[in-house]
Amino acid sequence: GESVGLHLPTLSVQEGDNSIINCAYSNSASDYFIWYKQESGKGPQFIIDIRSNMDKRQGQRVTVLLNKTVKHLSLQIAATQPGDSAVYFCAENFRHQFYFGTGTSLTVIP
Amino acid sequence: DSGVTQTPKHLITATGQRVTLRCSPRSGDLSVYWYQQSLDQGLQFLIQYYNGEERAKGNILERFSAQQFPDLHSELNLSSLELGDSALYFCASSVATGGGGSPLHFGNGTRLTVT
Repeated sequence: GESVGLHLPTLSVQEGDNSIINCAYSNSASDYFIWYKQESGKGPQFIIDIRSNMDKRQGQRVTVLLNKTVKHLSLQIAATQPGDSAVYFCAENFRHQFYFGTGTSLTVIP
Repeated sequence: DSGVTQTPKHLITATGQRVTLRCSPRSGDLSVYWYQQSLDQGLQFLIQYYNGEERAKGNILERFSAQQFPDLHSELNLSSLELGDSALYFCASSVATGGGGSPLHFGNGTRLTVT
């Protein structure tokens, strides 16, 4: 099946700094991508999505960048806060199915 | 709050038993997906229903079955439980049948422990 991988399993950042979480996806025909945040004991929470006809999309304190040439997705979190500590993972949609990576654990140091 | 409701939150049962997990999708969502998440593993797709009909199957064991009812809630039945079935089981819902720019919205899961 398809696979989505994350470059870094863990990431520690200082409170107030910007965070960048990366994701490599496997299928160049994937047309829709989502970033999720999962806190301990909770389900994955939708953060932001992007379609393949876009390169960048911004939300509140978050930006997703899509580089189709190298099949790379990144999530940028501005002014990282302690509440941002969680596991983040990306998902790609290929042939109407979603494929998820295992995630990157983000720890925010106060 | 995603709007997806899963019950129960926790379930502890013995090997060989059968359990039923329940999911109510977000209002207006027709698709329901079931995922299994084990320790240190990503989300493993089990099965998808759209408006009452099975739409896609993933790595779902024959001991597992699911259905979606006319009111769109869904149940995942796990039988002949084994220790390895211990995991978090998530339900997600979506407006569309899969992708198409419609994200999945997840419930908070059912933590199943098989002893």
